[in-house]
Amino acid sequence: AQTVTQSQPEMSVQEAETVTLSCTYDTSESDYYLFWYKQPPSRQMILVIRQEAYKQQNATENRFSVNFQKAAKSFSLKISDSQLGDAAMYFCAYRVYNFNKFYFGSGTKLNVKP
Amino acid sequence: DTGVSQNPRHKITKRGQNVTFRCDPISEHNRLYWYRQTLGQGPEFLTYFQNEAQLEKSRLLSDRFSAERPKGSFSTLEIQRTEQGDSAMYLCASSAERGALSNEQFFGPGTRLTVL
Repeated sequence: AQTVTQSQPEMSVQEAETVTLSCTYDTSESDYYLFWYKQPPSRQMILVIRQEAYKQQNATENRFSVNFQKAAKSFSLKISDSQLGDAAMYFCAYRVYNFNKFYFGSGTKLNVKP
Repeated sequence: DTGVSQNPRHKITKRGQNVTFRCDPISEHNRLYWYRQTLGQGPEFLTYFQNEAQLEKSRLLSDRFSAERPKGSFSTLEIQRTEQGDSAMYLCASSAERGALSNEQFFGPGTRLTVL
């Protein structure tokens, strides 16, 4: 069974500091994609960053980077220089290569303190 | 606006009534997905279309739920004989079949259903 686990229901970070959100997943597949999505309050979900499992290099997008540990089935998101606009629910998601079904974790609510 | 749109944004209905939601994907996207999201949870997959063909349905999609995408463009999700447990946010997403963005799903704002 494919499952995605986010063990941190809520986290807080001071503005300008760094925070890491955790995600683990369970799969028997070798080819898959991992995603982090951001859902601001009352706004639609947007993609933050994406990682292909076959790539060893960790993905980065400006202040957002991931730590992908394939053997450990771990996919954490690091947000550097946190901004007030980063406050949102963050969802980790997984998709098997050549399949279209996405599996989402239960989310982590990130609070950013000024 | 070229994003995914959903209508209505909010729907309040009485138990036992039928409701229908509409999703308009990004025009060049041939893949369309429906999800259900309850409070404090991530989206749960309901069903997936490629063009007009419904290729996958979740076990969550009971007989009271039906989805269509008749011309491969917009899609509708109908819930018959609504129950209070159907109260949730219903999300639609679309993606391209090919190209650099084929792995990315673009989400709509959702339709929030409240069943009284």
